[in-house]
Amino acid sequence: DVKVTQSSRYLVKRTGEKVFLECVQDMDHENMFWYRQDPGLGLRLIYFSYDVKMKEKGDIPEGYSVSREKKERFSLILESASTNQTSMYLCASSPLGSQESSYEQYFGPGTRLTVT
Amino acid sequence: AQKITQTQPGMFVQEKEAVTLDCTYDTSDQSYGLFWYKQPSSGEMIFLIYQGSYDEQNATEGRYSLNFQKARKSANLVISASQLGDSAMYFCAMREQRWGTGFQKLVFGTGTRLLVSP
Repeated sequence: DVKVTQSSRYLVKRTGEKVFLECVQDMDHENMFWYRQDPGLGLRLIYFSYDVKMKEKGDIPEGYSVSREKKERFSLILESASTNQTSMYLCASSPLGSQESSYEQYFGPGTRLTVT
Repeated sequence: AQKITQTQPGMFVQEKEAVTLDCTYDTSDQSYGLFWYKQPSSGEMIFLIYQGSYDEQNATEGRYSLNFQKARKSANLVISASQLGDSAMYFCAMREQRWGTGFQKLVFGTGTRLLVSP
């Protein structure tokens, strides 16, 4: 079974703190993703990575950075947490796929971050 | 750019009845893929079903089927014989492929919350 784990289910941080969210997958997937989920907005892509040390901005990268030093680990960093970053954060991974492949993304359990 | 629209914020259905969750999409790609995910209150995202744009038959997985109407750009999820455990958020998503690479990412709709009553 594919397993994607996230370091915390719940996290409470103060405004201005540096926050690290860790994600690890055990299926040797090339692609990894960080999403943010807010009510009424669905899942929005923050950053993604398609190889070690390779990263690209998603739709809402402002205020976030990422690190992928090893294939199995993808970290999301909030350099200076703000209250508007209170949200559910979901990590996902997937293998490389062909145009016709049905390779779905496998998700971690999510981290509910509250910034006070 | 791809776009997914789910117009039903919430749906109610009685146990054992069928329910259809709507999803429309917009893309200029000739080849694409559509996914449905379920998110229970515990928060994890569970993959349900996939439909490729060139698949001639509608996808089915147990009680889930996908009513794919390419000309209308719709990919509705049909859940037959609803169960209490089907109460969850449901997300429709489209694969966005980067040409010439194996990289894919998903574009998600805003979701539909389904409540199944006894």
